Amino acid sequence: AQKVTQAQTEISVVEKEDVTLDCVYETRDTTYYLFWYKQPPSGELVFLIRRNSFDEQNEISGRYSWNFQKSTSSFNFTITASQVVDSAVYFCALSVGGGSYIPTFGRGTSLIVHP
Amino acid sequence: DAGVTQSPTHLIKTRGQQVTLRCSPKSGHDTVSWYQQALGQGPQFIFQYYEEEERQRGNFPDRFSGHQFPNYSSELNVNALLLGDSALYLCASSFRGAGKNEQFFGPGTRLTVL
Repeated sequence: AQKVTQAQTEISVVEKEDVTLDCVYETRDTTYYLFWYKQPPSGELVFLIRRNSFDEQNEISGRYSWNFQKSTSSFNFTITASQVVDSAVYFCALSVGGGSYIPTFGRGTSLIVHP
Repeated sequence: DAGVTQSPTHLIKTRGQQVTLRCSPKSGHDTVSWYQQALGQGPQFIFQYYEEEERQRGNFPDRFSGHQFPNYSSELNVNALLLGDSALYLCASSFRGAGKNEQFFGPGTRLTVL
């Protein structure tokens, strides 16, 4: 069975601060995918990034960066110079091989960025 | 290019009633998945439809059923509503043959059961 743990329930920062959202996953599969989604107050889940288990290269996209470490089963997400518009709930998800790749979601981390 | 659409946006029902939620997938997508998201929780997988058949199912009772139409749109039906069915219901679409597996989500239908 797969499991995703997001230990941080809520994080509150002031604009321009850097913030890291933690994600720890569990799976016995050797082929899997990791995702981050953003859910603003409107409710729609917005896809941010996908990583497969064979690609540990970290990625930077604008103010976003992701640190994938198989040795610690972690896939952390950092927002640099946070902005008020970053306020949302962020979900980490894991899916394993097979035709359907149904993701298992963590409970989410609510990020509040104060002006 | 329209994304995933869902209707209605909000719905209020009473216990014991039945409800139907609708989803139109993103253009080019052939697979629809439904999720239930309770307040403060991550989405929980209900089931997935492909080629008009239920392909996978999560840990949800038979009160939850669905359908996929030839145009790939889908419905989620919930019978004998319980208070605990109050949640945001999310529809996600994907293209099975692409080899990728990210799902695109709709804005959801917020169901309140009184």
